[in-house]
Amino acid sequence: QVQLVESGGGVVQPGRSLRLSCAASGFTFSTYGMHWVRQAPGKGLEWVAVISYDGSNKYYGDSVKGRFTISRDNSKKTLYLQMNNLRAEDTAVYYCAKDSTSLGYGSGTCFDYWGQGALVTVSS
Amino acid sequence: QSVLTQPPSASGTPGQRVTISCSGSSSNIGNNYVYWYQQFPGAAPKLLIYRNNQRPSGVPDRFSVSKSGTSASLAISGLRSEDEADYYCAAWDDSLSGEVFGGGTKLTVL
Repeated sequence: QVQLVESGGGVVQPGRSLRLSCAASGFTFSTYGMHWVRQAPGKGLEWVAVISYDGSNKYYGDSVKGRFTISRDNSKKTLYLQMNNLRAEDTAVYYCAKDSTSLGYGSGTCFDYWGQGALVTVSS
Repeated sequence: QSVLTQPPSASGTPGQRVTISCSGSSSNIGNNYVYWYQQFPGAAPKLLIYRNNQRPSGVPDRFSVSKSGTSASLAISGLRSEDEADYYCAAWDDSLSGEVFGGGTKLTVL
């Protein structure tokens, strides 16, 4: 069965960096687009970024553009999110989500499996 | 403020039919598929309905969707207590080159 397990969350000071990882299993990781979606405490879902199956295409939400970088290592079946210059408003549970298509963007974008989430708290 | 607009809350009694609306624009709902996600407290969201009323395995056919122009709606018939959850609509936005979500609707079964 599909499993997505996030790690790397924690408490970090404003302006510092953190890298999240998402270990995938139960499907052919290298053939699907992958996303990061976050949810601030008590708030709704916010899409963060997507990467295509081969890493050649990436898109970011406006609130993280220029600060966050999504990447993947298909040989390790792992998705990453490098978060730089963190702000208090980045505090959230970060979910890794598998797309149902290889591209991960466009009309067919669909998060068919989600991880359990990793909590990132940005605070001094 | 979310790009897609949903009512913050909805409610119904067991057995009733409830609908949750999702309003967008031509760059998202008007030109792309709409997807719906269900989230229980303390849990990760899960895909509820995709494309044209397609449901993942295990999702009952009490859940259905419709779309007209730049709006979509989720209908839940034969409401049950276990349907109490948060519901989110989502679609790709061609202008933003990104996925956009509704603010979420908290469904209460009275």
